[in-house]
Amino acid sequence: DQQVKQNSPSLSVQEGRISILNCDYTNSMFDYFLWYKKYPAEGPTFLISISSIKDKNEDGRFTVFLNKSAKHLSLHIVPSQPGDSAVYFCAASGVSNYQLIWGAGTKLIIKP
Amino acid sequence: KAGVTQTPRYLIKTRGQQVTLSCSPISGHRSVSWYQQTPGQGLQFLFEYFSETQRNKGNFPGRFSGRQFSNSRSEMNVSTLELGDSALYLCASSGQGSGETQYFGPGTRLLVL
Repeated sequence: DQQVKQNSPSLSVQEGRISILNCDYTNSMFDYFLWYKKYPAEGPTFLISISSIKDKNEDGRFTVFLNKSAKHLSLHIVPSQPGDSAVYFCAASGVSNYQLIWGAGTKLIIKP
Repeated sequence: KAGVTQTPRYLIKTRGQQVTLSCSPISGHRSVSWYQQTPGQGLQFLFEYFSETQRNKGNFPGRFSGRQFSNSRSEMNVSTLELGDSALYLCASSGQGSGETQYFGPGTRLLVL
C-alpha cells in the first residue's frame, strides 16, 4: 500500500521554463512534507518542506504547494536550470510516526 | 557542522559473505535511519535507531540488522549476502527523528558478486 505516490517516473522540461513535480498521499494523518533532490550515486539532498498548517512555502526558485483536501502537493521550480536535472523524491510524516514515507521519485530532465 | 559520513564508500563482496557499514550522524543528532536504494527503485526503509534503540523497522529479512552506539554512531550489518543485496545504502540523521528533516550521507555502494 503506497501511502505516498509520485505517478510520473520522469519529466522533461526546457531550460528556463517551469518544472512542476507532483505528489499524492493517502494518509490524512500526515502533517509534514518534504522534497529531496538526488543525483546518481549520492545521498538525497533536502530541498524544501511544508507543514500542514500552510498551503505554500517558497525558497528561492523552489515553491511547494499543499492541497490538503486533495491530498496533493507539488514542487515548482522556476526557472529550470540544467543543474536541476536529478531525481526528486517527496516524503511525508505524521506526528506519531518515526519515519518518513517516501514516494518512488520523479526523474527531471532539463533540456538546453 | 560536519555532515553525515558513511564508510566505506564502496565495497565489493561475494555471495555468502557478511558486511558491516558505518554511519556517523551530524553532531547532536540522535536519530539514524538506514535506506536501501536499488537501480530504478525509490528509497526502501530498513530501520531507524534513536538513543541506541531500534524504533522502527521496514520489511527486510532478518539478515539485515543494525545497532546504534552511545555516541549515536550506527552500524548496519548484512549477513549471508545475496546478489540482490547489491545497492546503494544510505544513512540519514535527524535530531529527534519524529518526522523531522533527515540529512543524508553520501551512501555506501555495495556490489555483491
